[in-house]
Amino acid sequence: GAGVSQSPRYKVAKRGQDVALRCDPISGHVSLFWYQQALGQGPEFLTYFQNEAQLDKSGLPSDRFFAERPEGSVSTLKIQRTQQEDSAVYLCASSPFQGQGGIYEQYFGPGTRLTVT
Amino acid sequence: AQSVAQPEDQVNVAEGNPLTVKCTYSVSGNPYLFWYVQYPNRGLQFLLKYITGDNLVKGSYGFEAEFNKSQTSFHLKKPSALVSDSALYFCAVRASSGSARQLTFGSGTQLTVLP
Repeated sequence: GAGVSQSPRYKVAKRGQDVALRCDPISGHVSLFWYQQALGQGPEFLTYFQNEAQLDKSGLPSDRFFAERPEGSVSTLKIQRTQQEDSAVYLCASSPFQGQGGIYEQYFGPGTRLTVT
Repeated sequence: AQSVAQPEDQVNVAEGNPLTVKCTYSVSGNPYLFWYVQYPNRGLQFLLKYITGDNLVKGSYGFEAEFNKSQTSFHLKKPSALVSDSALYFCAVRASSGSARQLTFGSGTQLTVLP
């Protein structure tokens, strides 16, 4: 089946612009994660959804970052008033429910490379 | 807080030789451990995981990893490297207890297999 897809793959924004990044998880996956990967670094956690509920947003770096998953499927990460330090690859991952039935790996999308000029 | 250390930024190995990519972790309680591989301009691909049980875990493409609780390590290994194994490798950890579900990643190790 189809994997996790993200759009756009590349985004160039001028400082101060708002951007919206989309993630389509694998169908039926309950859990959805957003990570930020700076150049030469490992991914860092931003936020986590279980269905439509945002259960953890402790990794969001500022109140300019906002994520939603209103119907428990597609998710959007929005960054308001972008700054140069927001330049990074934004990765989305999904997995089946992480419960007593098993611990599943996360399946990652190709990422959106955001460049703020 | 949980953390992962990958002490080598770069590992070079000749094709056909065994390879090891090192990983140590820190987490409260028992860990869930993962290895991912990243090719240029692509997302992370899952290789293998340790949840419980046998300390030697076998995964995709002939890779394996050994969980060592006393040394808090989870090194990735392959008996015979291929040029196509050249990529960026990430180790990740998640605590088995608590409500957190996210992975904490190391900084990555660039593996280059020389023909």
